[in-house]
Amino acid sequence: NAGVMQNPRHLVRRRGQEARLRCSPMKGHSHVYWYRQLPEEGLKFMVYLQKENIIDESGMPKERFSAEFPKEGPSILRIQQVVRGDSAAYFCASSQTDRATEQYFGPGTRLTVT
Amino acid sequence: AQSVSQHNHHVILSEAASLELGCNYSYGGTVNLFWYVQYPGQHLQLLLKYFSGDPLVKGIKGFEAEFIKSKFSFNLRKPSVQWSDTAEYFCAVSSVSNQGGKLIFGQGTELSVKP
Repeated sequence: NAGVMQNPRHLVRRRGQEARLRCSPMKGHSHVYWYRQLPEEGLKFMVYLQKENIIDESGMPKERFSAEFPKEGPSILRIQQVVRGDSAAYFCASSQTDRATEQYFGPGTRLTVT
Repeated sequence: AQSVSQHNHHVILSEAASLELGCNYSYGGTVNLFWYVQYPGQHLQLLLKYFSGDPLVKGIKGFEAEFIKSKFSFNLRKPSVQWSDTAEYFCAVSSVSNQGGKLIFGQGTELSVKP
């Protein structure tokens, strides 16, 4: 599961800036999930994407957050006009199928908003 | 709504002690169940999973978990812990009926094993 790559590992942004988090799934995986872990909390589902499609975004905040998974290239989680409350660890996972037989996690991106 | 509850936030044990971490979930349908572990500085790794069949599931590194449907529980056990088991443990659930299989996680249990 070390095959899921995320970058950057650490990202510092000032309030009001944009944050872009990247996730490259494991080879052969076309299903990507984003989760957020706030301090002292468990991981919370944000969004599930397949290539070029958002399938389930029920966990995404309604404003400032967006995600994409283009035909070519990594999945991107974008946070516009970041606020202090966005400081968290953001994890990406990938799977081979659309059923949660197993998801493989990346190392996460730790976002700090100053 | 689905939810997962882990009973203990922080557990401290001495080496060779037995471990049991509680996990209860709330969902009326059929679920898949998972335990993930996050060692310090590393990403989440799957310890074990339950989809169907024998409710006693064996995972890596000597861990096992038992699914008790009537209690909506999926507790994690290990007979004798080692210092290297120090990590954070997450229980997770996914609904079999939902497309995509998003995982609902508990809040995590931090395990510290004293040498």
